[in-house]
Amino acid sequence: EVQLVESGGGLVQPGRSMKLSCAASGFTFSDYYMAWVRQAPKKGLEWVASISYEGSSTYYGDSVKGRFTISRDNAKSTLYLQMNSLRSEDTATYYCARQEGGQLGNWFAYWGQGTLVTVSS
Amino acid sequence: DIVLTQSPALAVSLGQRATISCRASQSVSISRYNLMHWYQQKPGQQPKLLIYRASNLASGIPARFSGSGSGTDFTLTINPVQADDIATYYCQQSRESPNTFGAGTKLELK
Repeated sequence: EVQLVESGGGLVQPGRSMKLSCAASGFTFSDYYMAWVRQAPKKGLEWVASISYEGSSTYYGDSVKGRFTISRDNAKSTLYLQMNSLRSEDTATYYCARQEGGQLGNWFAYWGQGTLVTVSS
Repeated sequence: DIVLTQSPALAVSLGQRATISCRASQSVSISRYNLMHWYQQKPGQQPKLLIYRASNLASGIPARFSGSGSGTDFTLTINPVQADDIATYYCQQSRESPNTFGAGTKLELK
């Protein structure tokens, strides 16, 4: 069974940093692109970042480019999101997702339960 | 960015057909591939993939869910609607980066 378990969320002050983790199990982690998708309270879904199989390629949404860094440790089957210079508009539930489809489009086939990040003073 | 437009809400009776639409600001199709995908999200839960590439049923999803469309106009159909289907439904395109989602359609009981 595919499982994705996020951790590391909580309350953080504006301008500070936070690192999220996502522990994967039930599949060969290195065989898949992985992604972070977030959802602000009572709002819709927003793709944040994606990473290739070995981590050599990374992709970011415009709203987080230059502030967030996605990475992975295939030996530990773990995905990370380092978030710097946090803003109030980054307040959201952050979901880890397994990405599928490759060159012919990509979709988010499995999602974790999410971890809430609240940016507030 | 490609903008996806969904109606905010749809009221339906149990046992009836529900048709949820998603319109893209430009084509999300390449050749025979329609790069539109659908998700279901219930309150307090993570999203769940229902349909990928417009018409392919994801693993474990009941056959009462189906998807269709091409170019800029896509539809998610639930027939018949069951009580467990009351949720918010999102479309997502992967034709161009960044991946974008619609704002969601909340399915409600009439």
